[in-house]
Amino acid sequence: QKEVEQNSGPLSVPEGAIASLNCTYSDRGSQSFFWYRQYSGKSPELIMFIYSNGDKEDGRFTAQLNKASQYVSLLIRDSQPSDSATYLCAGVTGFQKLVFGTGTRLLVSP
Amino acid sequence: KAGVTQTPRYLIKTRGQQVTLSCSPISGHRSVSWYQQTPGQGLQFLFEYFSETQRNKGNFPGRFSGRQFSNSRSEMNVSTLELGDSALYLCASSRGRQAGDTEAFFGQGTRLTVV
Repeated sequence: QKEVEQNSGPLSVPEGAIASLNCTYSDRGSQSFFWYRQYSGKSPELIMFIYSNGDKEDGRFTAQLNKASQYVSLLIRDSQPSDSATYLCAGVTGFQKLVFGTGTRLLVSP
Repeated sequence: KAGVTQTPRYLIKTRGQQVTLSCSPISGHRSVSWYQQTPGQGLQFLFEYFSETQRNKGNFPGRFSGRQFSNSRSEMNVSTLELGDSALYLCASSRGRQAGDTEAFFGQGTRLTVV
């Protein structure tokens, strides 16, 4: 079982819709989670981080963490074609390693 | 503020050779991590350094090694290159003493092709 798992997608949503990206993790000791966006041919860039159970909002982005279910999600409201990218979920394991999922490819169609 | 700088950006090597990649972290960042990214495996953790000490290591063979200097700059070395080592190698820096204490920022990566 991979430490951080994501559906590879692609997830296709129309412009203006809400995109929901999900991630599960296996290490109950994981405390910190990060969402990165990676455009094709570019390096990952940090979107958000979340440490506590519940929701954290930043502009059009909302990260959600449910430690009991070992589940992290990223919601993108009012999706734009420029949001089309691969979204990487990462968690810090109990061994203090930042482990990434394989990413979910998001396609936002005009 | 300058970002994370990786050099070179592109490399072509032949099997059996060795290669050294360099990473200069953001000023003030003392933690540097290295990742290998391939289409099939995603981002795989190689190792992490903090204050010149390797703090963590991923599941890669001993051909992969690294070090960090007193100015926080880091290098990774791959010896006896194999075709399967072809990948994008990414370096990330952060301020935190422990992984996850603070956000990690990535460099543009070094694209290594082994022929």
